[in-house]
Amino acid sequence: KAGVTQTPRYLIKTRGQQVTLSCSPISGHRSVSWYQQTPGQGLQFLFEYFSETQRNKGNFPGRFSGRQFSNSRSEMNVSTLELGDSALYLCASSLAGTGYSPLHFGNGTRLTVT
Amino acid sequence: ELKVEQNPLFLSMQEGKNYTIYCNYSTTSDRLYWYRQDPGKSLESLFVLLSNGAVKQEGRLMASLDTKARLSTLHITAAVHDLSATYFCAGPPNTGTASKLTFGTGTRLQVTL
Repeated sequence: KAGVTQTPRYLIKTRGQQVTLSCSPISGHRSVSWYQQTPGQGLQFLFEYFSETQRNKGNFPGRFSGRQFSNSRSEMNVSTLELGDSALYLCASSLAGTGYSPLHFGNGTRLTVT
Repeated sequence: ELKVEQNPLFLSMQEGKNYTIYCNYSTTSDRLYWYRQDPGKSLESLFVLLSNGAVKQEGRLMASLDTKARLSTLHITAAVHDLSATYFCAGPPNTGTASKLTFGTGTRLQVTL
């Protein structure tokens, strides 16, 4: 069974630009969550999508947005990039986002903002 | 809001030695997760602890949960170099939510020969 796939693996962008990251969950998983990982703040929850609807949201500015498609694939968008947005962005999937099963993480997209 | 604290942040240990990583959390939670992350890699699920007194073991790693003390431990027995990684504990904000996890700062484990 294929795992969670994130593309691209690496991105370099300039301040002020916008970026879109993509995530394909494990087949059958309907919940997709996004996390930001930085050396200073650690792992922080961005948002979760389930059945094309945002179900949970973390404490990030509106520049961070996402969406989920009918096939459960998800994209996350960051507009007006800032230097502080440089991070590893991890996508995780689970069957339903509830219950006790652990999240399954992708390999992440490393975003560098210059 | 759930807060999760891990200690130590960094642990250097010799092969063959035993050690414990501690994870304290601030509010009642019905489960606790442990993850492992190798440098430049993703997070790998190690354990899901569901109830007070729960103990799970996989190889040289053993995790336990004390919900009354709001404490989980990850015990490493006879460490080997392959265990070098960063270990995170994480919990959900409330019952039933499995995706919005609060992670600890992580414990970077370095096992030396």
